[in-house]
Amino acid sequence: GEDVEQSLFLSVREGDSSVINCTYTDSSSTYLYWYKQEPGAGLQLLTYIFSNMDMKQDQRLTVLLNKKDKHLSLRIADTQTGDSAIYFCAERYSGAGSYQLTFGKGTKLSVIP
Amino acid sequence: DAGVIQSPRHEVTEMGQEVTLRCKPISGHDYLFWYRQTMMRGLELLIYFNNNVPIDDSGMPEDRFSAKMPNASFSTLKIQPSEPRDSAVYFCASSAGREWAPLHFGNGTRLTVT
Repeated sequence: GEDVEQSLFLSVREGDSSVINCTYTDSSSTYLYWYKQEPGAGLQLLTYIFSNMDMKQDQRLTVLLNKKDKHLSLRIADTQTGDSAIYFCAERYSGAGSYQLTFGKGTKLSVIP
Repeated sequence: DAGVIQSPRHEVTEMGQEVTLRCKPISGHDYLFWYRQTMMRGLELLIYFNNNVPIDDSGMPEDRFSAKMPNASFSTLKIQPSEPRDSAVYFCASSAGREWAPLHFGNGTRLTVT
């Protein structure tokens, strides 16, 4: 079955870059997503990448995908205190009716002022 | 766009009571999902609907849990009877019916069963 793994915690200083890593097991994954969850709120979509892409950049966010190693990363440039949150990686695998997402357990990013 | 709306935001109830959680998806979205989030298990998919029809309910923990979607703009998740181990944050999400379409989440209902 499909599985998504993330490290649980990451701590960075304000102004530095953050890199959050994720590995997945299903080689037939078609789309991969990054969500952000702030305290008391739902999951907010940050960005997503198709499995036929290697990289996607959106302002301070850069997503890198290594299909061979089934490794996905999210880089946040110039990390701010407002970036402190839990970040979830999610995959959608191909298959009949596969409109659901499988989520990792989330990485809690703490930004030190 | 008001986003996915869930109610109530918080629910505190006693063991054995019935609990009903409500969700209004984004207008035009034809997929609706119910997730449960706990520290131990993370996000778990409970059930999802397509065009108001339940497609996969294999994540529903037990017969105490039931979900309905009587129309395109409303869904409920009911727990009867509730137990302390049901305490969690329950999220509703919706998406448009395209393969790449991401899920849009509500702010969740925090359920505490004492």
